[in-house]
Amino acid sequence: DGGITQSPKYLFRKEGQNVTLSCEQNLNHDAMYWYRQDPGQGLRLIYYSQIVNDFQKGDIAEGYSVSREKKESFPLTVTSAQKNPTAFYLCASSMGQAYEKLFFGSGTQLSVL
Amino acid sequence: ELKVEQNPLFLSMQEGKNYTIYCNYSTTSDRLYWYRQDPGKSLESLFVLLSNGAVKQEGRLMASLDTKARLSTLHITAAVHDLSATYFCAVGNTGTASKLTFGTGTRLQVTL
Repeated sequence: DGGITQSPKYLFRKEGQNVTLSCEQNLNHDAMYWYRQDPGQGLRLIYYSQIVNDFQKGDIAEGYSVSREKKESFPLTVTSAQKNPTAFYLCASSMGQAYEKLFFGSGTQLSVL
Repeated sequence: ELKVEQNPLFLSMQEGKNYTIYCNYSTTSDRLYWYRQDPGKSLESLFVLLSNGAVKQEGRLMASLDTKARLSTLHITAAVHDLSATYFCAVGNTGTASKLTFGTGTRLQVTL
């Protein structure tokens, strides 16, 4: 089955620690995205990538980093510089054309210990 | 900067009733999407609206787009409990492939 796989489902971060959220897709999509969702809020774009080895900052990139070494994979690292990391993180992908809808993964809930 | 507002933020309605969710956006856009999210789950695509006057229907949900008014509506007909979820509209930033700005969501609760 084609889809987007996010792991882990739940993740806990200690003070000063970097953590990495995994996102893998087998839809052969060119574009991938990371969104952050806070309780009762809409989604905010962190980073997006339209092609391998290239990515752009979204609206709230500070304290996060990404890489896109393979078409299928777009991991997100939440660094210690992100002071309020507790949120639900959603990865998405699309063909990258202007009118394509996004397909979303099942999400990772990140909490601070 | 593109801003997207939805109202109401919370809607409690009885089964069998009709209601409309509104999505307003601040700048010109050429595409609008509606998504559904169940608690703790991912987002499911409902509708893609690409032109002024576009109307799409799926079951008890109907979405429309007025690009001149910068307004989209999601109309619920004869609500059933299974429609309880949070509904998001998302607007495309013109010229930026697939980059979307989301509204804050409308949490719909359908009671028996």
